[in-house]
Amino acid sequence: GAGVSQSPSNKVTEKGKDVELRCDPISGHTALYWYRQSLGQGLEFLIYFQGNSAPDKSGLPSDRFSAERTGGSVSTLTIQRTQQEDSAVYLCASARPGRNSPLHFGNGTRLTVT
Amino acid sequence: SQQGEEDPQALSIQEGENATMNCSYKTSINNLQWYRQNSGRGLVHLILIRSNEREKHSGRLRVTLDTSKKSSSLLITASRAADTASYFCATDIMNTGFQKLVFGTGTRLLVSP
Repeated sequence: GAGVSQSPSNKVTEKGKDVELRCDPISGHTALYWYRQSLGQGLEFLIYFQGNSAPDKSGLPSDRFSAERTGGSVSTLTIQRTQQEDSAVYLCASARPGRNSPLHFGNGTRLTVT
Repeated sequence: SQQGEEDPQALSIQEGENATMNCSYKTSINNLQWYRQNSGRGLVHLILIRSNEREKHSGRLRVTLDTSKKSSSLLITASRAADTASYFCATDIMNTGFQKLVFGTGTRLLVSP
């Protein structure tokens, strides 16, 4: 079956512009995560959605970052007034419900802020 | 600081040799998972070990978990060039309302033919 799909795969934007990153999770996966991976670093948790529950936004680095998940499926991560330090790979993952369900990752969106 | 720290940061071996990567963490966990990442791609789940398990096998992979030392190891036996990738451990920290995986900085494995 289809895996997690992210778009665009690459995005170059000018400092100060807003960007939207999209994630299509695997059908039937109720859990959805956004992570950020800076060059040579591990993954930094950003936000978690589970079904129709309120998301856990504890990892969002500033109020310029927001995310939504419509209809319990597609998710959009929005970064307003981008800064150079926002440059990174943004990874989306989905999972079945349950504490021990492995995460399925998309290939990420590489964001470059010039 | 990162919950999971992998050691070594980089490992270079020949095909056929075994590769061992270690992960240390700081707080109590529900489970520990290992993921693999090829360059420019997302992470792929390899294996999960629960906090009450000590060892688990999957094909050429062997994972151990020592909760008293807060450490885990991933052994890849009879390595192949195709195993070249970065490997990350991820811990599901206890006392969070959901599976919140905290990833380490990874081990870059290079397997030469």
